[in-house]
Amino acid sequence: GDSVTQMEGPVTLSEEAFLTINCTYTATGYPSLFWYVQYPGEGLQLLLKATKADDKGSNKGFEATYRKETTSFHLEKGSVQVSDSAVYFCALMGSGGYQKVTFGTGTKLQVIP
Amino acid sequence: SQTIHQWPATLVQPVGSPLSLECTVEGTSNPNLYWYRQAAGRGLQLLFYSVGIGQISSEVPQNLSASRPQDRQFILSSKKLLLSDSGFYLCAWALTGMNTEAFFGQGTRLTVV
Repeated sequence: GDSVTQMEGPVTLSEEAFLTINCTYTATGYPSLFWYVQYPGEGLQLLLKATKADDKGSNKGFEATYRKETTSFHLEKGSVQVSDSAVYFCALMGSGGYQKVTFGTGTKLQVIP
Repeated sequence: SQTIHQWPATLVQPVGSPLSLECTVEGTSNPNLYWYRQAAGRGLQLLFYSVGIGQISSEVPQNLSASRPQDRQFILSSKKLLLSDSGFYLCAWALTGMNTEAFFGQGTRLTVV
């Protein structure tokens, strides 16, 4: 079945540091890939998405590229801010059937001033 | 525009008591609906999904059940709560027939005491 593996956290960075959160996936066909963000006590918000190979999703300075050859969708940001502190989830939606969304375990990011 | 409502936001229930969490979606028809649980320090686990009224699929055997009495209403229930049912429950919806993202409610924090 489909699965998503993302790097363990927590990740602690200083403000303005470069961020990378690794994500790899296993799926049949051509899934869509997503990054969601969860701020404390809240639900999940879509951060960015990519629906086909080589697509780059971007939002709020974050970006991720759909790499089918390496089955990866790593999240990057050039300069993090304290307000980026949250839990980040990599996810995929399968290309067939009932459109199940499969999530990684989440990576907690803490940005310190 | 589409919106998703989930309530209550927080709930404290004694062991052995019943549970009913409700989720409704507005602004779309025949959505796929999902219930997820996020246990403390863990990722998101898909509990149930529904592709139509009265159609419920369970991902994992457990003490919970789900129902979809109307097109845009999804209810999560239990007859007798266990301590292990504590967690953060999230309802989500997605368009059918398209490989797009899922949209999440704000979640319900359930504590079983």
